[in-house]
Amino acid sequence: NAGVMQNPRHLVRRRGQEARLRCSPMKGHSHVYWYRQLPEEGLKFMVYLQKENIIDESGMPKERFSAEFPKEGPSILRIQQVVRGDSAAYFCASSPSGGASSYEQYFGPGTRLTVT
Amino acid sequence: GDSVTQMEGPVTLSEEAFLTINCTYTATGYPSLFWYVQYPGEGLQLLLKATKADDKGSNKGFEATYRKETTSFHLEKGSVQVSDSAVYFCALSSGTSYGKLTFGQGTILTVHP
Repeated sequence: NAGVMQNPRHLVRRRGQEARLRCSPMKGHSHVYWYRQLPEEGLKFMVYLQKENIIDESGMPKERFSAEFPKEGPSILRIQQVVRGDSAAYFCASSPSGGASSYEQYFGPGTRLTVT
Repeated sequence: GDSVTQMEGPVTLSEEAFLTINCTYTATGYPSLFWYVQYPGEGLQLLLKATKADDKGSNKGFEATYRKETTSFHLEKGSVQVSDSAVYFCALSSGTSYGKLTFGQGTILTVHP
């Protein structure tokens, strides 16, 4: 039973390029959360998605960041025109159900983005 | 808003020592509380959880009790091993937040033989 998969594991982009991070949830999970971990900090919530719907994007920066979770395929976190401050580890988590505080989230290994 | 405060790290212990990592929280309503562990280069793994007051979560020798009166969820282990060296995160999920997790800043634990 494969866990949450993220790719790439490491991504290097120059300032101004686009970064595209992928997340495949665990089998049977239809709820996806994205978190960002800046150096020396804890994880911060970015966005919560269900298939074809963004449920809560209160943690997403207002510009350059977008996320989707299509009917088929992985969830994508897209960062346009990256800047050095976007360098961080981005974690995806999935859950079999969502919207309730008691449900466990299962985390992927993360994508470590470095902007040069 | 919701917040989680963990004790400052890093924590360095000898093998078989007793471990306590303090965690306190602020939240609306009645949150669920979690401890996650992150080993080097890996994602987070759920260590234990508690969903209501006075619940005790336990796993792999680790325990934490949901204390509503002190808004705390301290992590304890009676005898740590070298393999417990990792970063530990306390987190909460409140009923008003669609299940999203609010994390503490993490505590680095190093256990020496």
